[in-house]
Amino acid sequence: LAKTTQPISMDSYEGQEVNITCSHNNIATNDYITWYQQFPSQGPRFIIQGYKTKVTNEVASLFIPADRKSSTLSLPRVSLSDTAVYYCLVGEAGNQGGKLIFGQGTELSVKP
Amino acid sequence: NAGVMQNPRHLVRRRGQEARLRCSPMKGHSHVYWYRQLPEEGLKFMVYLQKENIIDESGMPKERFSAEFPKEGPSILRIQQVVRGDSAAYFCASSPSLTDTQYFGPGTRLTVL
Repeated sequence: LAKTTQPISMDSYEGQEVNITCSHNNIATNDYITWYQQFPSQGPRFIIQGYKTKVTNEVASLFIPADRKSSTLSLPRVSLSDTAVYYCLVGEAGNQGGKLIFGQGTELSVKP
Repeated sequence: NAGVMQNPRHLVRRRGQEARLRCSPMKGHSHVYWYRQLPEEGLKFMVYLQKENIIDESGMPKERFSAEFPKEGPSILRIQQVVRGDSAAYFCASSPSLTDTQYFGPGTRLTVL
C-alpha cells in the first residue's frame, strides 16, 4: 500500500497562498491522489483529486510532477476559515479497495 | 439533496452497555463505509458495506463490533459491552460506487463513562 508523508503542521496568514506537499514514493500506476479537509468536530470533506500534471477547481489546485512521487495542494489566498487538517491519500480511484487510508495529515493554522 | 446523515451526534454510554450508531447515506448511494477517529489521531477504516453485504471488515475489531446495511433503512454500527477505549468519533461515508468519491457525515461522538 502506498504510504504518504506530509508536514505535521503549517502556519500561514490571511491572504497568502499555502502549498502543502505530500510525498508518496511508492505510488502505483493505477493510484490517484486525493486530498480531504477536516474541520474540528466535523467529517472530512473532499477537496480535489488528480492523477498527473495539474488539476484545478473552485477551491484548490493540485500539482503532480511527472514522476508522481509527490504532489502539492495549493490553496490560494487563505482565510481564517481554512484553518483545518488536510489529508493526502493515494489509491486506485482515490481509495484502496474501498478504504481511504488516512495519515496524520497537516494541521494548517491561518492567522489574521 | 441531503448529505450523509448520522445519529445520534453525541452518545454517552456506561461501561458494559450497548451503543448503536446510525448512518443514512446520500440518496442514490449504495456503498457505506465506517471510520473511527480516536482522540488526537487520524481516521481509521473499519468496515465497508454494500446493500445487505459486508464487503470488507478488516478494520473492525473481531469482538463486540458489528455492522449491517439492510435493504431498507440506515446502516448500523453496533458496539456491545462498550469499554472506555471505545470513546471516539465514528464517521460514516457513502458513495454511489467503489470508484466514486466518498462523502462523509458529521460523525457520532461516543463517550463511555
